[in-house]
Amino acid sequence: RKEVEQDPGPFNVPEGATVAFNCTYSNSASQSFFWYRQDCRKEPKLLMSVYSSGNEDGRFTAQLNRASQYISLLIRDSKLSDSATYLCVVNAGGFKTIFGAGTRLFVKA
Amino acid sequence: EPEVTQTPSHQVTQMGQEVILRCVPISNHLYFYWYRQILGQKVEFLVSFYNNEISEKSEIFDDQFSVERPDGSNFTLKIRSTKLEDSAMYFCASRDRGQGQPQHFGDGTRLSIL
Repeated sequence: RKEVEQDPGPFNVPEGATVAFNCTYSNSASQSFFWYRQDCRKEPKLLMSVYSSGNEDGRFTAQLNRASQYISLLIRDSKLSDSATYLCVVNAGGFKTIFGAGTRLFVKA
Repeated sequence: EPEVTQTPSHQVTQMGQEVILRCVPISNHLYFYWYRQILGQKVEFLVSFYNNEISEKSEIFDDQFSVERPDGSNFTLKIRSTKLEDSAMYFCASRDRGQGQPQHFGDGTRLSIL
């Protein structure tokens, strides 16, 4: 089993749609979780941290399920500018950080 | 907003040469990282650095690689005897103290080995 696993997509959705991504992780001792977005040939940019109780930032909602070892990202009212690759990032304890391979999202007009 | 800066943005080097990639982390951050991303592939952890020493490294980070914090602001990645397969984007990141603090990335150095 991969340390951090994501559906690569692509997800093709119309503007205004709601879309959800899941990510599973294998190390039950993982402590910190994040969603980043990456545009083509650019650096990863922090979208949001993921907290145990779940958290929301505008149109974005993140959830953590420790029992099932997955995190999710929900994007509401998709915009064209949301088109990117979404990276699930897990701190597996200590100083090592594991990136998922990313889920590609295309939002079309 | 403070940011991580990396130089150069693009480095072209002959195979077998040594390269040094430079990073200036955010000034009050204490934890520093290097990552590699081969074109079309995922971001891969190389090494983390804290308190002037390597805190963790991946299996990729072998004797060909080294890191250094030569002064109070720079953080460098040295790659010796470069190979064609070292061609990739190299990202530096830093974060503040606290387990749940996110890492902030520089915009990367594109390394091309000829």
